[in-house]
Amino acid sequence: DGGITQSPKYLFRKEGQNVTLSCEQNLNHDAMYWYRQDPGQGLRLIYYSQIVNDFQKGDIAEGYSVSREKKESFPLTVTSAQKNPTAFYLCASSIGRKYEQYFGPGTRLTVT
Amino acid sequence: RKEVEQDPGPFNVPEGATVAFNCTYSNSASQSFFWYRQDCRKEPKLLMSVYSSGNEDGRFTAQLNRASQYISLLIRDSKLSDSATYLCVVNTNSGNTPLVFGKGTRLSVIA
Repeated sequence: DGGITQSPKYLFRKEGQNVTLSCEQNLNHDAMYWYRQDPGQGLRLIYYSQIVNDFQKGDIAEGYSVSREKKESFPLTVTSAQKNPTAFYLCASSIGRKYEQYFGPGTRLTVT
Repeated sequence: RKEVEQDPGPFNVPEGATVAFNCTYSNSASQSFFWYRQDCRKEPKLLMSVYSSGNEDGRFTAQLNRASQYISLLIRDSKLSDSATYLCVVNTNSGNTPLVFGKGTRLSVIA
């Protein structure tokens, strides 16, 4: 059963703590992405990776970090430097840069 | 001009109605176009790609007008289950963002 998984579905953290969100895909896609969505807003790109061991900053990379050590995995760390980390985080993957993206179910992060 | 613009709605239509959404894009070099559907508090799901010649999938028809730089989505015989936010997505082929997502048009189908 191919797809993208994200865990956990809900995550609660105290301010000042780093937190890592998991994203795994078994679609054999080369490209993976992280987006953030705030209530009533569109998707904003945080980071993306087109190939293992390489990634690029998106529009709102400040306060976030990623790694791409395996093709299947693209974890996102929300650091304490991110000013407003509470949001819905979506991971996606695609065959390549200009192709349709497929999304995981998302992680809702709440930081208090 | 924003890269991808959509009317946020909401569009409130009765069951069985036909409804159409437009989306404009600013980069004339854009190559790929898609419509996604997003239900409340869920992830976006690909509804259909949009091809130059237009394409149809059941009750859904997508059109591309390169000259005027817009894409459209037509939904015929609306169902209650069509209620969702529809996102227009464009590959800008430039800058730092592979795909640019519009903010979406909200559709509410009423019994």
